[in-house]
Order: sequence, then structure tokens, then C-alpha cells
Amino acid sequence: QSVLTQPPSVSEAPGQRVTISCTGSSSNIGAGYDVHWYQQLPGTAPKLLMYGNSNRPSGVPDRFSGSKSGTSASLAITGLQAEDEADYYCQSYDSSLSGWVFGGGTKLTVL
Amino acid sequence: EVQLLESGGGLVQPGGSLRLSCGASGFIFSTYAMSWVRQAPGKGLEWVSTISGSGASTYYADSVKGRFTISRDNSKNTVFLQINSLRVEDTAVYYCAKDGGSRIQLWYRQYWGQGTLVTVSS
Repeated sequence: QSVLTQPPSVSEAPGQRVTISCTGSSSNIGAGYDVHWYQQLPGTAPKLLMYGNSNRPSGVPDRFSGSKSGTSASLAITGLQAEDEADYYCQSYDSSLSGWVFGGGTKLTVL
Repeated sequence: EVQLLESGGGLVQPGGSLRLSCGASGFIFSTYAMSWVRQAPGKGLEWVSTISGSGASTYYADSVKGRFTISRDNSKNTVFLQINSLRVEDTAVYYCAKDGGSRIQLWYRQYWGQGTLVTVSS
């Protein structure tokens, strides 16, 4: 069981909008620690997609956005494209564990 | 351009040891924390260990504490992960990552290497 909970899978048609949730607790997201998101395309290493809850690294399209509220965070992808099909992971810091934690990952399928 | 290249993975018997290396280039190595993250076959990401830029501070996941040791050689732009008392459940791709962020609790894995596979099997 991951400390951060994500839906195992989401799917949506091209051009549509999808959101991926990341639910934590009072020792991680709820404690005010930032949430970061990673994208892992099939057969490749993960790549930073969003940092500090809602900041995009250079080169990440503005179709991707992030938000955080309370003990949860969300990644939204608009104008879905086939190339967005990947696994997405959230990450934060947990004060009870004194370390960093990942969500279990969400597989996005573009129908 | 940031580049991270892991090496040292392979097949090892339970109870054995390996030393993973990660050579870095494209940034001022000594000023950034570095991390190791692993991914078991078909599974999600698991943070393993992080070391501060100076090497003075190290952090470990409970699952590896006491068996894994992270270190770095800033003169050679290299970070290491010594893994001892290997278990079957340690089988995974081990990724090296350059950290970003302003303070420890806000650190994130900014750039990733391609990973090195560690297989623990008899």
C-alpha cells in the first residue's frame, strides 16, 4: 500500500480532459509539503512533469497543470494526445517516515 | 545538458552485494543532492536513498536502512549505492536522479538516468 493513493488507471478520448488524483494525509500533503508529478512513457525512465504543486519544467506543455488542496493534489491534462499515454506518479515528503514517498502510479490510456 | 549514467547492476544471489555507480555531467555536481529510486518489474516507483550535495547528510527508506549505503565523490561527479544483504524483493531497476528544490522536504527528482537492473536470484 502506497502512502499516497492514486487511481490505478484512467482513460479518456483524444482532445478531452482528464484528472489524476493523489490523496495523502496530515503527515505529507496535508502537512503542507509540495507535491511533484512524474511521467513515465512505456519502456523509459521517469521524467519530471510538475514540481512544487503547479510548476512546469521547461518543455512541458501548458496542457498539463497541477493543483493541491488539503490532503490531496491533482494533475490535469487537457487536449489529450496519444503521446500522453503513460504512467503518472505523484511524490511528496512524509514527516512520519522522514523520507520521500510516491503514489502507486496511474496508467493513462488515450482511447 | 544534464546527463546521468548508471552502472553496476547485474545478477546476484540472495545475501550478496553490489555497488551501483552514477556518473553525472552538465551541472555543478557538488551543489545538488542526489537520489536513488527503484522500480520492481511491473511495479511503481520507490524512493530508496538521498545524499546532500556535500555528502554530509544521507537519508534512507526504512526498507533498505542498514543494508544500503549511499555515498558520493564530488571530485569525480559520481554517486554510489552500496547494496548489501540483497533479497529477492530488491530486484528492480535502480534509477539515479539529480534533485531539485529549495530545502530538504521540498526536494524532488529533477533529472533521471536510464536505470540499471539489479536481479536477485539463486
